[in-house]
Order: sequence, then C-alpha cells, then structure tokens
Amino acid sequence: AQSVTQLGSHVSVSEGALVLLRCNYSSSVPPYLFWYVQYPNQGLQLLLKYTTGATLVKGINGFEAEFKKSETSFHLTKPSAHMSDAAEYFCAVSEGGGFKTIFGAGTRLFVKA
Amino acid sequence: NAGVTQTPKFQVLKTGQSMTLQCAQDMNHEYMSWYRQDPGMGLRLIHYSVGAGITDQGEVPNGYNVSRSTTEDFPLRLLSAAPSQTSVYFCASSSGMGQVNYGYTFGSGTRLTVV
Repeated sequence: AQSVTQLGSHVSVSEGALVLLRCNYSSSVPPYLFWYVQYPNQGLQLLLKYTTGATLVKGINGFEAEFKKSETSFHLTKPSAHMSDAAEYFCAVSEGGGFKTIFGAGTRLFVKA
Repeated sequence: NAGVTQTPKFQVLKTGQSMTLQCAQDMNHEYMSWYRQDPGMGLRLIHYSVGAGITDQGEVPNGYNVSRSTTEDFPLRLLSAAPSQTSVYFCASSSGMGQVNYGYTFGSGTRLTVV
C-alpha cells in the first residue's frame, strides 16, 4: 500500500529565501506524485504533479519538484519565498496513477518579512 | 463553471443523529472522493468512486456510507454521528482520463461538529 511522509510539520523561512518542503513516499508500483496547497479556510489546490517522463516538474506560483526514484522522494522547492506563499502544503501519492490517492500530514509554511 | 460544490458549509449535530453531506461536480469527472481533515493528520480517504454505480472504501470508512447514482453527485452519509467524526470534510473529483489520475479539484469543505 502507498504512503507518504512529510518531514517537518512547520517550516519557517524569510522572504526571498529558498523554500524546501520534504516528501518521501512508499509505493509498490511506479507512483504518480502530487503537491497541493491549502490557504486558510479554503479547499486544496493542485500545485504540480509527476506522472511519467521528466523527473523535474514545474508548477504554479514558481514552485517545482523533482522525482528521485532512488531516494523515494519528491521534494518541493521555490528559489525565493514570497509572503503570499504562507500556507499548508500537502504531498500525495497514487500507485500507478490510479485514483486512490493518499496524502501526507502536511507542512505549514511560514514566511517572515 | 462551479467546479465542485459542497453543502452545507457548516453543520452541528448531536450524537446519534444522521445526516448527508452533499457533493456535486459539473466537470463530467468520473472519479470522486471524500476526505476528512484533522489537525496533524492531513487528509484521510473515507470513500471513493471511479464512476456511477461503483464505490470503494478508503482508509477510514467506518461510520460513513456513500452511493453514486449519477456522475455528478457523490453524497456522504453519516449513519449515527459520534464526536470522533468532528472534522472538516472535503469532496474532490479527478480530471483523469483512461483511468489515469491527473489530479484533484477540491470543494471548499464542510465543517462538521458533533456534540
């Protein structure tokens, strides 16, 4: 069965600094991987996804993530944090691209002025 | 284009009461899911459906019932509410094609309190 581990329930960065949110997954077949963002009192919004092909994927708002099969990781990065990036971020996995999708516990990102 | 619509947005129930959380999507998505969100636990899958007439259990199905009679609607029923079911519930549908999941569109959630 698939599972997701997000390292760090809270991450704090200064505005303009690198954002790095960590995600490791477990899957018995090639996974599809997703990052979602949730702003306060809202639903989740898809940031980016890895399905097949290029292992470096770019998403909205300047975020990108790299699929590393050998490390079973899919870390989310952004070169320069903006105050508007403050939100909760969720990593998710579906085995073989199937519809059953499992989410991690989430990482809340704080951005300091 | 409304996307995924959940009703109600807020609900307070007494222990033992039953209710139905409504979810409708207008994107002709085959796949729909229900999740609950609790602090520190992320989103946990309750039930999902890969098409009309087909449903399956997720990670935490006990105490919940679903049916999928149309592509558009996927209601979640609480049979006998318990305080442990106090949570925020999200419905989501997928833009998958050929049984491949391309990612969810989420509703805005229902905040449920059971007293």
